[in-house]
Amino acid sequence: DAKTTQPNSMESNEEEPVHLPCNHSTISGTDYIHWYRQLPSQGPEYVIHGLTSNVNNRMASLAIAEDRKSSTLILHRATLRDAAVYYCILRVYSGGGADGLTFGKGTHLIIQP
Amino acid sequence: GAVVSQHPSRVICKSGTSVKIECRSLDFQATTMFWYRQFPKQSLMLMATSNEGSKATYEQGVEKDKFLINHASLTLSTLTVTSAHPEDSSFYICSASLGSKNIQYFGAGTRLSVL
Repeated sequence: DAKTTQPNSMESNEEEPVHLPCNHSTISGTDYIHWYRQLPSQGPEYVIHGLTSNVNNRMASLAIAEDRKSSTLILHRATLRDAAVYYCILRVYSGGGADGLTFGKGTHLIIQP
Repeated sequence: GAVVSQHPSRVICKSGTSVKIECRSLDFQATTMFWYRQFPKQSLMLMATSNEGSKATYEQGVEKDKFLINHASLTLSTLTVTSAHPEDSSFYICSASLGSKNIQYFGAGTRLSVL
């Protein structure tokens, strides 16, 4: 998997939007951008993924730069339950079998009440 | 969404004993499941890929004779830590892949403490 770079930690206030950046300058044309998060003492949880266009779901939005070398996960209104480590991971869809994920260090998001 | 159940959530055992961890896909069939390990303050590391009906594929540096994986059905994979030692104490997490987009759904994890 291509390498991603994320800030080690970010802090935000409750009920405010949060923008989590991810740099992936070596992304290839077949790489999808996936985001997962891990709440304390739990297994990771899928958040969102995209290829080129911006994506929205009930959890978050994903904004992808035009050159695809960076992306931003947007939590529109953070709550205390959004405090977690957020991982940006590039995945190649080769049409073959599923592969395990390569987790980087992620961004530790701290939400202040 | 898809649900993956992992059991037990926590286990404490004596050094030298074996521990079995179960991972079940509750509402879908998973031909492939994955096992990860996470040490404190570190990220998840893929240990092995569990394939239904065939041998597991282990990542470099993971001892296959120590971490036995069985994937006998499309909804169950087990990880057995044999002759556990204190250095095996860790958070073990399984996942299963669903759909063409390779989205993975994770269990809640098993915290293993070896005394």
